[in-house]
Amino acid sequence: DGGITQSPKYLFRKEGQNVTLSCEQNLNHDAMYWYRQDPGQGLRLIYYSQIVNDFQKGDIAEGYSVSREKKESFPLTVTSAQKNPTAFYLCASSITSGSSYEQYFGPGTRLTVT
Amino acid sequence: AQSVTQLDSHVSVSEGTPVLLRCNYSSSYSPSLFWYVQHPNKGLQLLLKYTSAATLVKGINGFEAEFKKSETSFHLTKPSAHMSDAAEYFCVVSLNFGNEKLTFGTGTRLTIIP
Repeated sequence: DGGITQSPKYLFRKEGQNVTLSCEQNLNHDAMYWYRQDPGQGLRLIYYSQIVNDFQKGDIAEGYSVSREKKESFPLTVTSAQKNPTAFYLCASSITSGSSYEQYFGPGTRLTVT
Repeated sequence: AQSVTQLDSHVSVSEGTPVLLRCNYSSSYSPSLFWYVQHPNKGLQLLLKYTSAATLVKGINGFEAEFKKSETSFHLTKPSAHMSDAAEYFCVVSLNFGNEKLTFGTGTRLTIIP
């Protein structure tokens, strides 16, 4: 089955610790994305990558970092600089050609920082 | 710039009655429009998409949406609600300029009354 996997499903950390969220896709998509979702809000883009070894900041990149060393992997690190890291994090991927750019989403990771 | 407004944060309907979830968009160029559904603690699933072909778009699970350029709307409908339709629904807009960035609405929570 092709798809996007995110692990773990739930993650707990103490304040001041960095934490890395995993995202892997086997859809052979070039582009990958990280979103943050808070209650009552839509998804907000953190970072995106259209090609290996290249990525761009989204709307709320402060306090986060990413890498894209392989086409199928796009891990997100939530650093201690992120002031309010508790949220639901969603990874997505898409093709980068054609007439539309729908994104395919993983199941998400719920991060709780105390 | 592009934006999307979901006019209702919460909609309740009785099982077997029609569903209407309203969405208005703003875009300087010809957009692609999507509806996604999210069940609790899950990722997003694509319901349907509009990409400048037919203005009436049919999606999965009996949902459909009509693109109305004059009204800048893309409302989601279903003739008869089912209990399994209870979820959060997101209207999403994307520019067709090779720009894969999506702009999400804040979501509409659909409740089905037995």
